[in-house]
Amino acid sequence: GQQLNQSPQSMFIQEGEDVSMNCTSSSIFNTWLWYKQDPGEGPVLLIALYKAGELTSNGRLTAQFGTTRKDSFLNISASIPSDVGIYFCAGQLSNTGNQFYFGTGTSLTVIP
Amino acid sequence: EAGVVQSPRYKIIEKKQPVAFWCNPISGHNTLYWYRQNLGQGPELLIRYENEEAVDDSQLPKDRFSAERLKGVDSTLKIQPAELGDSAVYLCASSMGVSLSYGYTFGSGTRLTVV
Repeated sequence: GQQLNQSPQSMFIQEGEDVSMNCTSSSIFNTWLWYKQDPGEGPVLLIALYKAGELTSNGRLTAQFGTTRKDSFLNISASIPSDVGIYFCAGQLSNTGNQFYFGTGTSLTVIP
Repeated sequence: EAGVVQSPRYKIIEKKQPVAFWCNPISGHNTLYWYRQNLGQGPELLIRYENEEAVDDSQLPKDRFSAERLKGVDSTLKIQPAELGDSAVYLCASSMGVSLSYGYTFGSGTRLTVV
């Protein structure tokens, strides 16, 4: 299967700090997604990106579809305690229903 | 609107025993997915249904795993017999279509422990 590498693997930050994480692949993707997963729950979609270079925001979250189409970035501004969780990127190879490949996740801990 | 409902939430079984998971997707969602999530990893697709048809089951271990979606609504994923390595969270997701613009919702998952 496709390998999506996320970094960093884990982050420990102070409340109010900004967060940056990224996802890279050896393959070209047509769609990039960012999910957040809380303990004991399924992933929840945060942002979807459909075009190379696209920059999309959802509140304090901003994600970008890399121009090479092999990477994507997620930024969280002014972190708060409820941002704690695991963030997954996912890529889709085509728009015809091919499966989504998920990254290994970035675990975020926000220290009040 | 009710979300994707999965049951049971937790299941502990001995190896070699059978186990089944149930998923009720969001009403009107014709696409249903089963994913497996190992500890510390991202979800991996097992099977995708379009209505009652399994259109992508290439990653389903067919020697011991089976799935069905009779009538194109609820779905059941079965493992028989279970092995220690099957311990994982099994996630169900649904969407109105394969395009992301329709949304893609996960259930809370079933955490399976095989002892």
